[in-house]
Amino acid sequence: AQSVTQPDIHITVSEGASLELRCNYSYGATPYLFWYVQSPGQGLQLLLKYFSGDTLVQGIKGFEAEFKRSQSSFNLRKPSVHWSDAAEYFCAVGAEGFQKLVFGTGTRLLVSP
Amino acid sequence: EAGVAQSPRYKIIEKRQSVAFWCNPISGHATLYWYQQILGQGPKLLIQFQNNGVVDDSQLPKDRFSAERLKGVDSTLKIQPAKLEDSAVYLCASSPSGHSPLHFGNGTRLTVT
Repeated sequence: AQSVTQPDIHITVSEGASLELRCNYSYGATPYLFWYVQSPGQGLQLLLKYFSGDTLVQGIKGFEAEFKRSQSSFNLRKPSVHWSDAAEYFCAVGAEGFQKLVFGTGTRLLVSP
Repeated sequence: EAGVAQSPRYKIIEKRQSVAFWCNPISGHATLYWYQQILGQGPKLLIQFQNNGVVDDSQLPKDRFSAERLKGVDSTLKIQPAKLEDSAVYLCASSPSGHSPLHFGNGTRLTVT
């Protein structure tokens, strides 16, 4: 069965600084990988996904993620963080595309002025 | 387009009581999901519908949870009787098919006292 680990519960980044959120997955075959963002009191919004092909994927709001099979990782990055990026970020892995997603426990991003 | 609608927004009940949540997916979306998000954890899939048929309910605690999707549109999730550990946010999501991105509602926050 697939699983996801997000080792950082909280991360604080200064506005304008770069960001990297870590995600490690466990799955025997080629995984479908996702990053979602959740603002307080809101549902989840898809930032980006990896299904196959180019291992560096671009998403919305200036985010990107890189799939590294050798490290079983799919880290999320952004070169310059804005205060509006403060939210909770979830990495997820799917065995069948968007179905049966398994989510990590999330990383809460705080942005300091 | 209108998003996924969920109600109520909040619900507080005592243990052993029953509760029901309602979800209205985006028009035309054939696939509907219910996720449970316990505080500090990522969302966990409870049940997936394709039209009005159940695709996956392997993680639904069937002794107390039930769900239905009448006429392949709206869906209700019921808990009877509720336990303290059912306190969570219940998220509904829909997609055009099982191979399309999920659109999440804002969730129903359940507190069981």
